[in-house]
This record gives sequence, structure tokens and C-alpha cells, in this order.
Amino acid sequence: GENVEQHPSTLSVQEGDSAVIKCTYSDSASNYFPWYKQELGKRPQLIIDIRSNVGEKKDQRIAVTLNKTAKHFSLHITETQPEDSAVYFCAANTGTASKLTFGTGTRLQVTL
Amino acid sequence: GAVVSQHPSRVICKSGTSVKIECRSLDFQATTMFWYRQFPKQSLMLMATSNEGSKATYEQGVEKDKFLINHASLTLSTLTVTSAHPEDSSFYICSGGASSYEQYFGPGTRLTVT
Repeated sequence: GENVEQHPSTLSVQEGDSAVIKCTYSDSASNYFPWYKQELGKRPQLIIDIRSNVGEKKDQRIAVTLNKTAKHFSLHITETQPEDSAVYFCAANTGTASKLTFGTGTRLQVTL
Repeated sequence: GAVVSQHPSRVICKSGTSVKIECRSLDFQATTMFWYRQFPKQSLMLMATSNEGSKATYEQGVEKDKFLINHASLTLSTLTVTSAHPEDSSFYICSGGASSYEQYFGPGTRLTVT
């Protein structure tokens, strides 16, 4: 089955700096890669996703890149703000198109 | 985006009792829903795939007789934790999607077994 690895597990950046979180996956058949932001006690919220026919996607301060050959994808957050502090999860689909395997999560802390 | 609700949001039960959690898609029909479990400071672990009108598909290591899933309609899936024990205490989250890719998550149910 699919295996998704995520690094780093914790990340601390100063406000205004950029943050990068990286994930690798094992199943070459995966073709959908979403990123979620989860605040304590809340549901995961989709912040951006990418499909395998695209190499990069950007939405304001958030961007995701995908390298299918190397089987890795990354989340980039620019101009970080304190409200970006949360746990971020990457995921990859497997088996049925909508079944997701999640990475282990990255706790991002944005300090003033 | 699509809306998924879950009920209850929190439940405390005694060891040995059963608890039912409901997951509803409010503005779309979901032939498939997913149930996840999340322990503190850990990731979401898929427990099972709930299929409308048929049996659920369980992930390896998840006891199907302990975690009963019923998906009787296109808008409702239920998870029943039978004979709950303290180690079943966790955050249970369901998800569903109108398309074959994007998943919408319910708000989660915090289960505490005393």
C-alpha cells in the first residue's frame, strides 16, 4: 500500500519568513496530493492540492510543487504569519481515487 | 465546499458500553465515506471505507466486529464502537466527497472511555 513520509516534524520560523514542508510517497499510481491544516481539536482543512498532471500550483502565499519522477511533493508558505501556526499534513491518494494516506504531520510555529 | 457534519462532537462513556457516531453529508450525496482515528499528536489513520448499500472495507489491524459501520443512505454513515475500552479513547473523524478526489471532513468526535 501507499506510504507517505513527511519532514520536518516540527518547524519554527519567524514571522515574514518562508516555511517549506516536504513529503515523499511510495505508490507510483497516486495522482492526487492534498495538504491540510489542522488546528488543535479541529477538523483538517484543505489548503491546497495538486494532481499529477501539474508540477506546481500556487494560491496567494501558498504553493505546492510535485516531482512525480522522484515521488515527492512540497508545501511552501511565504510571508508567514502567526495565524499560520498549526499542524500541517500532506496526503496522497491510493487504491480508490479518494482514499487518502496521510503523512505524519508538521507542527509549524510562527514566532513574532 | 461541501459540508459534512458529525454527531456527537464529544462523548464520554463507561468501559464496556457502545457508542454510535453519525456522519452526514449535508449538501451532496456520498456513495463512499471514510472513517479516521486520530490519537493525540499523531496523524489521521484510516480505519475503514464506508460504502453505501454494502459492507465496509476495513484497514489492516482494525477489528470489524468492534467498529461497526453502517452506510444505509447516500447522506449518512454511522460508526459504532462496541464494548469500548479506555484505549479506544480518540478523535474520530469522517470524510466524504462529491467528486472522486477532494475529501471534506466532519468536525470530529472526541470519545473518552472511562
